[in-house]
Amino acid sequence: DSGVTQTPKHLITATGQRVTLRCSPRSGDLSVYWYQQSLDQGLQFLIQYYNGEERAKGNILERFSAQQFPDLHSELNLSSLELGDSALYFCASSVGDGSAGHHLFFGSGTQLSVL
Amino acid sequence: AQSVTQLDSHVSVSEGTPVLLRCNYSSSYSPSLFWYVQHPNKGLQLLLKYTSAATLVKGINGFEAEFKKSETSFHLTKPSAHMSDAAEYFCVVSDPDNAGNMLTFGGGTRLMVKP
Repeated sequence: DSGVTQTPKHLITATGQRVTLRCSPRSGDLSVYWYQQSLDQGLQFLIQYYNGEERAKGNILERFSAQQFPDLHSELNLSSLELGDSALYFCASSVGDGSAGHHLFFGSGTQLSVL
Repeated sequence: AQSVTQLDSHVSVSEGTPVLLRCNYSSSYSPSLFWYVQHPNKGLQLLLKYTSAATLVKGINGFEAEFKKSETSFHLTKPSAHMSDAAEYFCVVSDPDNAGNMLTFGGGTRLMVKP
């Protein structure tokens, strides 16, 4: 068990809908990262938050947004969903802001299926 | 920009024989390098990491990797494969000179272990 909790584990929804994925980092970790894993794109970095502030942005679509709350949990919001958004979404956390090369602890992921 | 190439998308070995998963990277002078393992329907788990200390890094479950700067390689090895090693393995580079902690993942190598 990595200590990173993601909910829900599975999500099935329809095109055009909006969903929210939730992540609780390991106790003491200040950074939260979101990744998307799909068969055709592999693992893609979406966004990182550190202590409530956006720290780094990757290949995140404009339809997607995220935030980190004062208690350090994070939510990833996906809107106007398309079939191609079906993927496994991972959350990860680390103790620092990433500049020191700390490794990440990954959650078990949320499997999103858009029908 | 940093990049990671895992030279084999699939590797098949027999139980008890050595494992070699190859990884080449492109990064700045002093990257951090990691190997993660992903078992089916699980999150990613850190196997080992290199952060400019000893070039031969020992990880969990008998795996080790050697950082070779001249060859820009970070190959993962294990002397004797076990059935439980069957999983997907990701080589990851983190460049501290990049903003945030944008880890770059390789495409993954699926390791199959035959009885």
